[in-house]
Amino acid sequence: DGGITQSPKYLFRKEGQNVTLSCEQNLNHDAMYWYRQDPGQGLRLIYYSQIVNDFQKGDIAEGYSVSREKKESFPLTVTSAQKNPTAFYLCASSIAGVDTDTQYFGPGTRLTVL
Amino acid sequence: AQSVTQLDSQVPVFEEAPVELRCNYSSSVSVYLFWYVQYPNQGLQLLLKYLSGSTLVKGINGFEAEFNKSQTSFHLRKPSVHISDTAEYFCAVSDQYNAGNMLTFGGGTRLMVKP
Repeated sequence: DGGITQSPKYLFRKEGQNVTLSCEQNLNHDAMYWYRQDPGQGLRLIYYSQIVNDFQKGDIAEGYSVSREKKESFPLTVTSAQKNPTAFYLCASSIAGVDTDTQYFGPGTRLTVL
Repeated sequence: AQSVTQLDSQVPVFEEAPVELRCNYSSSVSVYLFWYVQYPNQGLQLLLKYLSGSTLVKGINGFEAEFNKSQTSFHLRKPSVHISDTAEYFCAVSDQYNAGNMLTFGGGTRLMVKP
């Protein structure tokens, strides 16, 4: 079955540590996205990528970094510079990254900073 | 810049009753509108979207939404809800000039269906 996988499902981090969240898709989609979800705030875009080796900052990119070395993979690193990283992180993809596309979401990773 | 407001953070309703989840947006350009559903501890799934044409859009699971340009609204409706509809619902907007299919989401409405 085609889809988006995110791992791990739950992640715990100590303050001051960097941590990387995995996102893989086998839908052959060109575009991929990372969102952060906090209660009552909906989803906010962190980074997106429309093509391999290229990515753009979203609304809340500070304290995060990404790479897009392969079409199917778009890992997100939460760095120690992110002041409030505890949240639910969702990865998504779409066919071509145009404004009429449907975005398909992974199951999410819940990050907790101890 | 565009924004989306979901007027109700929670909507309790009894099973088999009708429901309407409200969504208003603001944008200076033409928009595309989406409703997504999120079941507990899962990702989002598309319910329906409005791109052009008929303002009444039918989606999955018996949901429909109506685009009202003059009122800048895109309310979601279902004539008879089931327990399984309990979830969080997000309205989102994309404008025709943005690059990269960036969506702006509302804060979400939690639908709680009671037996």
